[in-house]
Amino acid sequence: EAGVAQSPRYKIIEKRQSVAFWCNPISGHATLYWYQQILGQGPKLLIQFQNNGVVDDSQLPKDRFSAERLKGVDSTLKIQPAKLEDSAVYLCASSLRGMSEQYFGPGTRLTVT
Amino acid sequence: DAKTTQPPSMDCAEGRAANLPCNHSTISGNEYVYWYRQIHSQGPQYIIHGLKNNETNEMASLIITEDRKSSTLILPHATLRDTAVYYCIVRVGPTDSWGKFQFGAGTQVVVTP
Repeated sequence: EAGVAQSPRYKIIEKRQSVAFWCNPISGHATLYWYQQILGQGPKLLIQFQNNGVVDDSQLPKDRFSAERLKGVDSTLKIQPAKLEDSAVYLCASSLRGMSEQYFGPGTRLTVT
Repeated sequence: DAKTTQPPSMDCAEGRAANLPCNHSTISGNEYVYWYRQIHSQGPQYIIHGLKNNETNEMASLIITEDRKSSTLILPHATLRDTAVYYCIVRVGPTDSWGKFQFGAGTQVVVTP
């Protein structure tokens, strides 16, 4: 079984630029999550999708972050414009349904200079 | 929301059992205890979860106290590959749909030869 795929693995941008991350969950998984992990901290949930609908985006900085999950499969997380404090690893995870265990991708390491 | 408390770090000798404690004194009756681990530069990996009863799988055992205010993850024979940050998570949220995973800082476990 293929795992959660994410791209790119690494990204370096200057502040005020835009960036997008892509995630392909495990086939058949209805729930998809985006997390932000700052160095030395545990992952923080940014947004959770159930199929193509948002069920929790309470910790997503909506003035600069956006996410979509078209057709209930792949998802894209965008930051526009980026700030220095956005430097982090962005993790995507999926689960069969909201109550079951989550499977994480390798993450995208973003550095904002 | 229930919170968890874990020691920031612990060492373990290779081949010995590693016992990782977690306190969750405010856990609600319908909240599960989940354990994940994160090896350096990888996404978190699911280990085990439980509600009331002790659980065991091929990776570890989970012992939950009768009052459910604390639990212990047991790695029966630690190997160098078990060196990772271990997260104890109590799932919060509506019981009839999905629960948000709130990761703390976790316990950095170092297995030494």
